Amino acid sequence: SQQGEEDPQALSIQEGENATMNCSYKTSINNLQWYRQNSGRGLVHLILIRSNEREKHSGRLRVTLDTSKKSSSLLITASRAADTASYFCATALQGAQKLVFGQGTRLTINP
Amino acid sequence: DGGITQSPKYLFRKEGQNVTLSCEQNLNHDAMYWYRQDPGQGLRLIYYSQIVNDFQKGDIAEGYSVSREKKESFPLTVTSAQKNPTAFYLCASLKVGVVGFHINQPQHFGDGTRLSIL
Repeated sequence: SQQGEEDPQALSIQEGENATMNCSYKTSINNLQWYRQNSGRGLVHLILIRSNEREKHSGRLRVTLDTSKKSSSLLITASRAADTASYFCATALQGAQKLVFGQGTRLTINP
Repeated sequence: DGGITQSPKYLFRKEGQNVTLSCEQNLNHDAMYWYRQDPGQGLRLIYYSQIVNDFQKGDIAEGYSVSREKKESFPLTVTSAQKNPTAFYLCASLKVGVVGFHINQPQHFGDGTRLSIL
C-alpha cells in the first residue's frame, strides 16, 4: 500500500471554517512536505517539516508531525474560496533520493 | 522569472507512436523528475536525474525513456510499449543541498502535459 495515505479523501466546508487534513506513513522519514494542486495545474509547495520538528506555521497554515505515530496534519484556518484545491503530503524517506506522494485530499470551500 | 516550462500542454498519441514531452527549467536546479498522475490519484515517479548525463528509474519506468544532455532540459519519451499512456505528466526540479541530495529541499513543478490516445 501507499507510503503516504491521506484522510479524508474529500472535504467540503463553508468559507471561514477551518480545514484539517491528515497524512499517515509507514517507514522512517527525513522530512514530510505538503503541496497544493489547483485543478489542471502543477503542484505548489506549501510547507516542509523535518523529522526533528513537531510543528510549523506559514500564514494560515499549520502543520504538525508526530513521528511516534507516523502521522502529520495540515490545518488551514479561516478558509477562503481560493483554498479550493487538492492537497498532497509527500514523504522524503531516509536514505532515498525521492519523494513518495499520498493520494491527496480534495478540499472544497463553499461560499 | 525563473520556473519550469512543460510543453505542449495537451498532446495526442496514435497507437504505436512514440511522443516526447518537453521540460525546461531556468532555476539552475540540479535534479529533475518526471511524474505521472492519473485521475483522482497521487503522483508516481517515472524517472529522475541528479546530474547531467545520469538518470535513474523510478517506480513506473516501463514504457518510458529520458535523457539529460543539458542541466536545463529533461525530456520524457512515452514509447509505444507504454500501453496505457493516458495521464497527466508533471515535471519537477530541485536544488541539491550542500549535504545530501534532496534533503530538506522542496520540489518545484511545471504545469503539466495532458496526454491522450487518439
